[in-house]
Amino acid sequence: AQSVTQLGSHVSVSEGALVLLRCNYSSSVPPYLFWYVQYPNQGLQLLLKYTSAATLVKGINGFEAEFKKSETSFHLTKPSAHMSDAAEYFCAVRSGTASKLTFGTGTRLQVTL
Amino acid sequence: NAGVTQTPKFQVLKTGQSMTLQCAQDMNHEYMSWYRQDPGMGLRLIHYSVGAGITDQGEVPNGYNVSRSTTEDFPLRLLSAAPSQTSVYFCASSYVDGGNTIYFGEGSWLTVV
Repeated sequence: AQSVTQLGSHVSVSEGALVLLRCNYSSSVPPYLFWYVQYPNQGLQLLLKYTSAATLVKGINGFEAEFKKSETSFHLTKPSAHMSDAAEYFCAVRSGTASKLTFGTGTRLQVTL
Repeated sequence: NAGVTQTPKFQVLKTGQSMTLQCAQDMNHEYMSWYRQDPGMGLRLIHYSVGAGITDQGEVPNGYNVSRSTTEDFPLRLLSAAPSQTSVYFCASSYVDGGNTIYFGEGSWLTVV
């Protein structure tokens, strides 16, 4: 069984501030972990993914995430928020080959001036 | 460079009507899936397939049918539409290896009145 918990359905930060979006996972086998971003009325775009190589993963648009097995976490960060980062962010887990992708409930990021 | 193509983009149905959401991918992906997205609930898996002739149920399969006669196509059928099926539907595909990126279509907005 696999599951994802995203703490905080809404996060608001000031432009230029640190962005931290939390994700905790549960998986019976070593997981593959993903962060997707969704802009209004659009599909999902991959930000980054963890596939058991480096634990610190860098993605697009300056985002990165660190896989911490001991904490079963995969939090998403960005050092300095930009107005264009306002969107909904989804963490997802996949446990092994030919397995389904399970999403968290999403975190809506608001960036204010 | 088509990727994952969903049709129609918008549809209004009356309660009890049936319809098919089409999904096609041109990347020779073995894995295809359908999700529905509802506010505050993230993306929930309806059905998925790991190859032609193989389908399996996801988290919320009731009221939906799928088939996979070819690698490229994975249609989702609503048998007798209900207002509870008002949602945004996303088709997604990838290679079966769990570390591969899952690509999403642009979504289909369905309203059942």
